[in-house]
Amino acid sequence: DAGVTQSPTHLIKTRGQQVTLRCSPKSGHDTVSWYQQALGQGPQFIFQYYEEEERQRGNFPDRFSGHQFPNYSSELNVNALLLGDSALYLCASTLWVLAKNIQYFGAGTRLSVL
Amino acid sequence: AQTVTQSQPEMSVQEAETVTLSCTYDTSESDYYLFWYKQPPSRQMILVIRQEAYKQQNATENRFSVNFQKAAKSFSLKISDSQLGDAAMYFCTLYNFNKFYFGSGTKLNVKP
Repeated sequence: DAGVTQSPTHLIKTRGQQVTLRCSPKSGHDTVSWYQQALGQGPQFIFQYYEEEERQRGNFPDRFSGHQFPNYSSELNVNALLLGDSALYLCASTLWVLAKNIQYFGAGTRLSVL
Repeated sequence: AQTVTQSQPEMSVQEAETVTLSCTYDTSESDYYLFWYKQPPSRQMILVIRQEAYKQQNATENRFSVNFQKAAKSFSLKISDSQLGDAAMYFCTLYNFNKFYFGSGTKLNVKP
């Protein structure tokens, strides 16, 4: 059973460009969350998707948008990239089992904005 | 507002000894979950242990245990018989309203 997979693993962009990151959740997981982890800091919640809709959102500008497909995979889009967007972007999928939420993380995409 | 504070940026422990990582949090909710995640250099975030706020009994997972003090809003992680593979960043995490809130992390070094 494959875990949470993210692509690409590493990406280099320049300021002003747009980027799309992809995430395939663990089999059977219907909820996908995205996080931004700046160097030396803890992950910051960006948003969560459930049943193809954004269910929760953190304090991130509208430049950050997402999508969830019918197969539960998800994309994170960032427009008009800034230097400060350089970070590790983590995707996590969640499964509720017997009232317990179990969240699994991917290995992340390292985005460098030059 | 939900906040998680880890006041120990870095800690060291001798192999086979015990170490405790501290965490305090703030939430106005009564129903929430707490987690400790481990992030090795490979970047993969791994769940170490979880605690439901409504449970008074402290969670344990093999060599890992927590001291959950709900009134004090404290959630510390104890690692017994430390192993070289335990070296990693450890994040204390609060979950409620479908959001996860992470602390800034504690880097654990394990000395052979």
